Amino acid sequence: DGGITQSPKYLFRKEGQNVTLSCEQNLNHDAMYWYRQDPGQGLRLIYYSQIVNDFQKGDIAEGYSVSREKKESFPLTVTSAQKNPTAFYLCASKRVLNSYEQYFGPGTRLTVT
Amino acid sequence: GQQLNQSPQSMFIQEGEDVSMNCTSSSIFNTWLWYKQDPGEGPVLLIALYKAGELTSNGRLTAQFGITRKDSFLNISASIPSDVGIYFCAGQLSGGGGGADGLTFGKGTHLIIQP
Repeated sequence: DGGITQSPKYLFRKEGQNVTLSCEQNLNHDAMYWYRQDPGQGLRLIYYSQIVNDFQKGDIAEGYSVSREKKESFPLTVTSAQKNPTAFYLCASKRVLNSYEQYFGPGTRLTVT
Repeated sequence: GQQLNQSPQSMFIQEGEDVSMNCTSSSIFNTWLWYKQDPGEGPVLLIALYKAGELTSNGRLTAQFGITRKDSFLNISASIPSDVGIYFCAGQLSGGGGGADGLTFGKGTHLIIQP
């Protein structure tokens, strides 16, 4: 089955630790996105990548880093510099540049204490 | 970033009732998308709209791309318990924004169905 997978579903970390969230897609989509979701704030764009080995900052990139070494994979690292890392993180992908329909993975809930 | 005003924030309805929600903006959009999110899951695309005035249905769901290109509406007819969730609108701005070819999202409408 084609789709987007995110792992793990739930992640717990101690404050001060970096953590990497996985996002994999087998839809052959070119573009991939990371969003953060907090209650009452909708979805906010962290980073996006339109092509392998290239990525751009979104609206709230501070404290996060990404890589895009393979078309299928777009991991997100939440660094210790992110002041409020506890959130629900969503990965999405999109087929081609002139298509606007993004498809989402199931999300990872990160809790930092 | 650009704002999408989505209303209402929440709706409490009886099973079988029709539902209406909308998104408005002061900016012009080229594309409107409607998503549904179940608790703890990722949003699922329901309907995509690409032309001003376009009216598109998906089962009991109907969405419209406003003539002014600054708004969109989603209607759900004869609601059932599985319609519960958060409905998001998303738009692609004319002239870019939201991450170059990305989307701007509304804050969602929480639909709650009372037995």
